[in-house]
Amino acid sequence: QVQLLQSGPEVKRPGDSVNVSCKASGYTFTNFYIHWVRQAPGQGLEWMGIINVYGNTATYAQGFEGRVTMTRDTSTQTVYMQLTSLRSGDTAVYFCARVEGVAATASLLYWGQGTLVTVSS
Amino acid sequence: QSALTQPHSVSGSPGQSITISCTGTSSDIGAYDYVSWYQQHPGKAPRLLIYDVTKRPSGIPDRFSGSKSGNTATLTISGLQADDEGSYHCCSYAGVYVSLFGGGTRLTVL
Repeated sequence: QVQLLQSGPEVKRPGDSVNVSCKASGYTFTNFYIHWVRQAPGQGLEWMGIINVYGNTATYAQGFEGRVTMTRDTSTQTVYMQLTSLRSGDTAVYFCARVEGVAATASLLYWGQGTLVTVSS
Repeated sequence: QSALTQPHSVSGSPGQSITISCTGTSSDIGAYDYVSWYQQHPGKAPRLLIYDVTKRPSGIPDRFSGSKSGNTATLTISGLQADDEGSYHCCSYAGVYVSLFGGGTRLTVL
């Protein structure tokens, strides 16, 4: 079965960077796009970006451009999301999610368990 | 790229039907038939209920249905049940690989 297993919680200082991983299993890794979505405490979902796992290219939401990088490692079937210049407003649960079909649109059927990133001085 | 607009909260009694609206623009909801809806319970990952405006993934009961008119998408839940209580999020494709979420709606089953 399809599984997305994310790395554990992180505590960071303002200005730090964080790298969250998402290890995929149960399907052909390069056939499906992966999206990253975050959720601040008590808030709604926020779309961060999408990675074309086959081509290793990514598109990011306007609010994150310049601070976020999404990459993948086909040898370990893992996708990574790096966020730099962290501030307190980046405190959130970060999710990776795989689309339902082969399109890039956000029909996100499979989700990781979420990774809590806390930014605090 | 502004977030889609959802009501903050809705409520209904068991057995009733409720609707949740999701309003965007002619550049997102109005331009593409790629609206999805998610249910989320506290501390859990979201669950896909509806995709491509009206389609249901396997295992999602037909009590959940989706529609779209112009720049507004709507999720309808019929035969409301206690475990439908939670948060509901809409999402739309906005072109060039970009997607947008709404602010989320909290559903209370009275």
